[in-house]
Amino acid sequence: DSGVTQTPKHLITATGQRVTLRCSPRSGDLSVYWYQQSLDQGLQFLIHYYNGEERAKGNILERFSAQQFPDLHSELNLSSLELGDSALYFCASSVDIGLYLTDTQYFGPGTRLTVL
Amino acid sequence: DAKTTQPTSMDCAEGRAANLPCNHSTISGNEYVYWYRQIHSQGPQYIIHGLKNNETNEMASLIITEDRKSSTLILPHATLRDTAVYYCIVRVAAAGNKLTFGGGTRVLVKP
Repeated sequence: DSGVTQTPKHLITATGQRVTLRCSPRSGDLSVYWYQQSLDQGLQFLIHYYNGEERAKGNILERFSAQQFPDLHSELNLSSLELGDSALYFCASSVDIGLYLTDTQYFGPGTRLTVL
Repeated sequence: DAKTTQPTSMDCAEGRAANLPCNHSTISGNEYVYWYRQIHSQGPQYIIHGLKNNETNEMASLIITEDRKSSTLILPHATLRDTAVYYCIVRVAAAGNKLTFGGGTRVLVKP
């Protein structure tokens, strides 16, 4: 158990819908990262939040957005869903006090999204 | 981020040591080598990381060559539960601390 929690574990929805995935980081961790894992693209970085502020963006679609709240939990919002958005979505957290190269990310169990 | 090259797959006998190679010939002086593994669609699990010295923890050992162009992850006594995809990653501090995953090595531990 990494200490990172994600809800829900599974989500089944229809095309065109909007969903929200939730992540609670490990106690004391200031950074949250979101990753997407699809069969054809592998594990890809989406976005990084540090202490409530967006720090870096990766291959995140405009239909997707995220935020990190004052209690440091994060939500990933996916809208206008398409079949190709079906994937595993992982969040990870790290302490991230300063730019320490040895800062380690710990992953949650993931949310499996199926778009029908 | 430096690119890594790993074998696509490998088998290992239960109870034997598993040696997983990784090439990272373009690694920069300030990049660390990280290893994660992913067991059947679970969240990636951190294993170990290092800069230039060999490292050991309760899960594995990491051997980095002197020129830092390659490394080997060693699972000393592989068990069936070590069957997973193992990812070797090098990290650049300026890249928002993201992890860039390649294809990894699919390790199958056989009884």
